[in-house]
Amino acid sequence: DAGVIQSPRHEVTEMGQEVTLRCKPISGHDYLFWYRQTMMRGLELLIYFNNNVPIDDSGMPEDRFSAKMPNASFSTLKIQPSEPRDSAVYFCASSLTGTANTGELFFGEGSRLTVL
Amino acid sequence: KQEVTQIPAALSVPEGENLVLNCSFTDSAIYNLQWFRQDPGKGLTSLLLIQSSQREQTSGRLNASLDKSSGRSTLYIAASQPGDSATYLCAFLRDTGKLIFGQGTTLQVKP
Repeated sequence: DAGVIQSPRHEVTEMGQEVTLRCKPISGHDYLFWYRQTMMRGLELLIYFNNNVPIDDSGMPEDRFSAKMPNASFSTLKIQPSEPRDSAVYFCASSLTGTANTGELFFGEGSRLTVL
Repeated sequence: KQEVTQIPAALSVPEGENLVLNCSFTDSAIYNLQWFRQDPGKGLTSLLLIQSSQREQTSGRLNASLDKSSGRSTLYIAASQPGDSATYLCAFLRDTGKLIFGQGTTLQVKP
């Protein structure tokens, strides 16, 4: 398996523009997580899905952020409109959790977003 | 309120030393605890995972322990090498599927 795949790896945009980050989890995994990492705040959980259903989005900073998982192999995190304080590395991760599995989390390489 | 605390925040040691990284958590209802490594500009790599029913896990020079009753985990690195320099993060997985991370310990091993 290729692991968790994120795109784009780097994005530079101007304030006010829409940003869409994409993630393909490991095939067969039933949990998908979106994290944001900054120097100041470390790793913050934004939202996570189980079987494509959002379970907890309490970490989403504000209404400018939205996430979808239309099927088991694809998720998007959208920021509209973007602001300079959204600059961070956004990670997607997936896991397979159940009594027969370990729940080990696998991360993508991240999408580094810079909003000017 | 910080749910996962890692001490120290940074550590610098000479090559060859054995060292211990500490992680404490406030929630006893954990599914598992995981230790990750993150190199600068990279994603996170899982190092060790300890299920809630286990006490420790070992992989090569790494040993992680878990004490749910005291809310603590330690990562022991034996005979440290410059290649071990990275940030180490611990995280616990709740029964709900939510993984909570600490702030990490940045380790530098000097040759």
